[in-house]
Amino acid sequence: EAGVAQSPRYKIIEKRQSVAFWCNPISGHATLYWYQQILGQGPKLLIQFQNNGVVDDSQLPKDRFSAERLKGVDSTLKIQPAKLEDSAVYLCASSLVGLAGGFTGELFFGEGSRLTVL
Amino acid sequence: AQSVTQPDIHITVSEGASLELRCNYSYGATPYLFWYVQSPGQGLQLLLKYFSGDTLVQGIKGFEAEFKRSQSSFNLRKPSVHWSDAAEYFCAVGVYNQGGKLIFGQGTELSVKP
Repeated sequence: EAGVAQSPRYKIIEKRQSVAFWCNPISGHATLYWYQQILGQGPKLLIQFQNNGVVDDSQLPKDRFSAERLKGVDSTLKIQPAKLEDSAVYLCASSLVGLAGGFTGELFFGEGSRLTVL
Repeated sequence: AQSVTQPDIHITVSEGASLELRCNYSYGATPYLFWYVQSPGQGLQLLLKYFSGDTLVQGIKGFEAEFKRSQSSFNLRKPSVHWSDAAEYFCAVGVYNQGGKLIFGQGTELSVKP
């Protein structure tokens, strides 16, 4: 079974530039997550999709970050304009949704996209 | 609000020695609890999870964890550490409404001395 695919693995940009990250979840996984992991910290949830609808984006800095999941499959996370503090690894994860919408408990993570903002 | 605390930022153990990584959580209901491991340049991999039932759960790579409700803890243990266990370990609590999500602790970096 193929895992969660992310690209690019590494990106270096100047502040105020824009960047986009792509994620393809495991086939059949209805729920998709974007987490931000700053060096030395645990992953922080940015946005959660179930199929193509947003479930939780309460910690997404909406003035500069946007995300979409067209057709309920792959997803794109965009940052525009980037700030120095956006330097982090952006992790995509996916999970199954259990019967009656229940949480099955396991998230499958991609290898992440490392962003450096200069 | 839900939260997870891992009190130890960095731990060093000798190869063959036992290991215990601490995790404390704050959650209003019965928690779903997880331990993930992250090797350098890799994504997070699930080691084990607790949903209900037996409070001692077994995971992959010889790891186990014990849920203690009275202490709000879910500590990870391994009786004999191998050099390949050097990695970052994250404890997480599952919030299981609206499809579910994980809230992570800040992580504990494990170094293994030969």
